[in-house]
Amino acid sequence: DAGITQSPRYKITETGRQVTLMCHQTWSHSYMFWYRQDLGHGLRLIYYSAAADITDKGEVPDGYVVSRSKTENFPLTLESATRSQTSVYFCASSESKGRQPQHFGDGTRLSIL
Amino acid sequence: RKEVEQDPGPFNVPEGATVAFNCTYSNSASQSFFWYRQDCRKEPKLLMSVYSSGNEDGRFTAQLNRASQYISLLIRDSKLSDSATYLCVVTLYNQGGKLIFGQGTELSVKP
Repeated sequence: DAGITQSPRYKITETGRQVTLMCHQTWSHSYMFWYRQDLGHGLRLIYYSAAADITDKGEVPDGYVVSRSKTENFPLTLESATRSQTSVYFCASSESKGRQPQHFGDGTRLSIL
Repeated sequence: RKEVEQDPGPFNVPEGATVAFNCTYSNSASQSFFWYRQDCRKEPKLLMSVYSSGNEDGRFTAQLNRASQYISLLIRDSKLSDSATYLCVVTLYNQGGKLIFGQGTELSVKP
């Protein structure tokens, strides 16, 4: 019963590097989401996807790129990492965009030096 | 005004106490409501959905007052393991099902 898994759990990288965070779910949920969580801001939506090949911006999309070639995977890429992107990143999935609850992965703790 | 506001906490209570969290939301188009708990910056986990008629799950009771745009969570006979941050979440159907998370209320249950 894997559910939703994220990798890596921890990542340290340098400014300007490209880094990709992986998210995989086994529930065949249509919707997948990426959030970041920072002290004082709570959870903020970066991008979401309604289905394979359908993605849309959330509240804080700048500096991030997503793709969804398969229903079960939703990777998040920081094209040129900046220190302000140091955060805890959570992936989530849901059967719908709002009527059903979202289920979260364990998170990736990303530090950009 | 924030779209979802919660008591900032922290709430420090002894074991066995009853504690209530309040949450207000500003958008009357909000249609779905949830309570999540989050431990020490781990992933948020669904605690319970909140239904219009109110609902109970063991020691936890959730209430919704649409007229006042208010949600509550009551925890009875609190346990040490209840220590966590509790997040109030609302969905805005008029914004494509956008989820709005409250900032969370921290609960610390002491022996």
